[in-house]
Amino acid sequence: DADVTQTPRNRITKTGKRIMLECSQTKGHDRMYWYRQDPGLGLRLIYYSFDVKDINKGEISDGYSVSRQAQAKFSLSLESAIPNQTALYFCATSDPGLATEQFFGPGTRLTVL
Amino acid sequence: AQSVAQPEDQVNVAEGNPLTVKCTYSVSGNPYLFWYVQYPNRGLQFLLKYITGDNLVKGSYGFEAEFNKSQTSFHLKKPSALVSDSALYFCAVRDFYNYGQNFVFGPGTRLSVLP
Repeated sequence: DADVTQTPRNRITKTGKRIMLECSQTKGHDRMYWYRQDPGLGLRLIYYSFDVKDINKGEISDGYSVSRQAQAKFSLSLESAIPNQTALYFCATSDPGLATEQFFGPGTRLTVL
Repeated sequence: AQSVAQPEDQVNVAEGNPLTVKCTYSVSGNPYLFWYVQYPNRGLQFLLKYITGDNLVKGSYGFEAEFNKSQTSFHLKKPSALVSDSALYFCAVRDFYNYGQNFVFGPGTRLSVLP
């Protein structure tokens, strides 16, 4: 969805390096999410934010941190990358409400050597 | 805990034939169920959802899904498959108790439509 953009789209890095993945959205949503996708495991939630001042850990937050710089921007950082963080990372946004769907960015493919 | 299963890693179907991608769920209370599709090098796109009401839900691109409470299933269907339907399909359910009532996703089913 072009309304949710992620940079970079691909990144190769080395063990121990700090990496930042960025997400921007023009949908005007307050809620933003970071997931990682691994083959056969579906998507797992890393962090979520319901507004600029509300940031929460998800299912697999260890080794990750986030920053919500504005309503439209939500960044994910890997403080010291390790090979098992090699995955496809997705940002998503949504309106409030249990019946609402999420809108996903195109993903960042991260490889940690 | 809320969970979703997609029993088939891969589904192959010939173009023009009907397709079914299976999903079963385990939740406490009434389920809020969703299907998403992921095309190559793209993010997930919403297809359809069941919240309440009619058990047959219609969505984007000619897809539909049937909610079956007794079988705890929410199978995705399409009467006539297209080669362009080849993609990775995810079933998801709202987790009312964890992580801000976010989604729990199934592992995904890869659909291949053969010409």
